[in-house]
Amino acid sequence: AQKITQTQPGMFVQEKEAVTLDCTYDTSDQSYGLFWYKQPSSGEMIFLIYQGSYDEQNATEGRYSLNFQKARKSANLVISASQLGDSAMYFCAMREGLLISSGSARQLTFGSGTQLTVLP
Amino acid sequence: GAGVSQSPSNKVTEKGKDVELRCDPISGHTALYWYRQSLGQGLEFLIYFQGNSAPDKSGLPSDRFSAERTGGSVSTLTIQRTQQEDSAVYLCASSRGQIWGYTFGSGTRLTVV
Repeated sequence: AQKITQTQPGMFVQEKEAVTLDCTYDTSDQSYGLFWYKQPSSGEMIFLIYQGSYDEQNATEGRYSLNFQKARKSANLVISASQLGDSAMYFCAMREGLLISSGSARQLTFGSGTQLTVLP
Repeated sequence: GAGVSQSPSNKVTEKGKDVELRCDPISGHTALYWYRQSLGQGLEFLIYFQGNSAPDKSGLPSDRFSAERTGGSVSTLTIQRTQQEDSAVYLCASSRGQIWGYTFGSGTRLTVV
């Protein structure tokens, strides 16, 4: 089974509008972290936002917010007031077992990504 | 250094040759990861290092792939007898620990002809 599912291969949004990129995850761990990354056409991976499974409030970073619904195992990224520079591929990722052992940092598992295009 | 440095940025090699890809992580980051991204695809995990040891190398696709890390710093990913399906962007990332995200390098684009 896929651990991270991004069901939207491509999305379009009008400049200055908000957009939600979907992400659902699958884990049996109680302690995990969820991440979103942006990959512009230049190829670099840019960290956007993090949500811990025990965080009670949704994470926010500027125009980015994470709509975390733990019971539904979803961690959707909301981008408000879209800008042309937001056009990129967006990846959702998860790290499981955060509390298993100190000093051991497990890898992130990535979804297949959503290509966002912001229209002028 | 200030960021994760990867070299070379581009590599074209002939099928059957060996290649070495280098990653220099952020100073003080104990965890280091290698991923592969084929054209238009997501990121495929290869291997991760905690210090100089590799607790998880489950993502290495075949025994032609190997990696090492020395001094808790620089890592080298080696692909022996390259095949055309090895063509991809190889991304390295480092992290301070469990709850932190990665800082990625800019990748090495490998083309096997």
